[in-house]
Amino acid sequence: GQNIDQPTEMTATEGAIVQINCTYQTSGFNGLFWYQQHAGEAPTFLSYNVLDGLEEKGRFSSFLSRSKGYSYLLLKELQMKDSASYLCAVRDGNAGNMLTFGGGTRLMVKP
Amino acid sequence: EAGVVQSPRYKIIEKKQPVAFWCNPISGHNTLYWYRQNLGQGPELLIRYENEEAVDDSQLPKDRFSAERLKGVDSTLKIQPAELGDSAVYLCASSSRRDRETYEQYFGPGTRLTVT
Repeated sequence: GQNIDQPTEMTATEGAIVQINCTYQTSGFNGLFWYQQHAGEAPTFLSYNVLDGLEEKGRFSSFLSRSKGYSYLLLKELQMKDSASYLCAVRDGNAGNMLTFGGGTRLMVKP
Repeated sequence: EAGVVQSPRYKIIEKKQPVAFWCNPISGHNTLYWYRQNLGQGPELLIRYENEEAVDDSQLPKDRFSAERLKGVDSTLKIQPAELGDSAVYLCASSSRRDRETYEQYFGPGTRLTVT
């Protein structure tokens, strides 16, 4: 089985930087995904990490440490539209590459 | 390119009634997933199809839930009879073997089910 933990809620100010952490335990790690989900909408893909290190994509970056079972999503220059839930998901190579999602972190960006 | 299409978007039914959800994946995507997402939680996989074959349905409550993917394209998820605890958003997603590195899943907008 898998256990994925991330904070339930976070609040940050427009223009600031926020880091959303995710810790996981899995027997067959085969990649970690971050998805963004606005209220009432579908999750949309943000990033993918399978090797240790930082992946940067515009204002968003994602970091992975496989030895620590740890990832974070870094959002820079926050905008009001970044208010959403951010879902951490781990793929298990021992379970047909099934994705298991964390509960999501609801980020509120304030002016 | 059209995304994953789901219908209906919203459904309100009384308990013990049947309900069905429909999903049309992205063209060419051979893998299709059904997830259930409760309020404030992440999606939980119900069933995964590779083409028309259900390859992972361990989380599907088989006493009341059923799914099919005839011809390996569209899929239908059915609940009969529905219970109050089935109220959730039902998400469909698809992915392609061509995207070999990530097998990124593309999600549809979901069907919000309310059982009263």
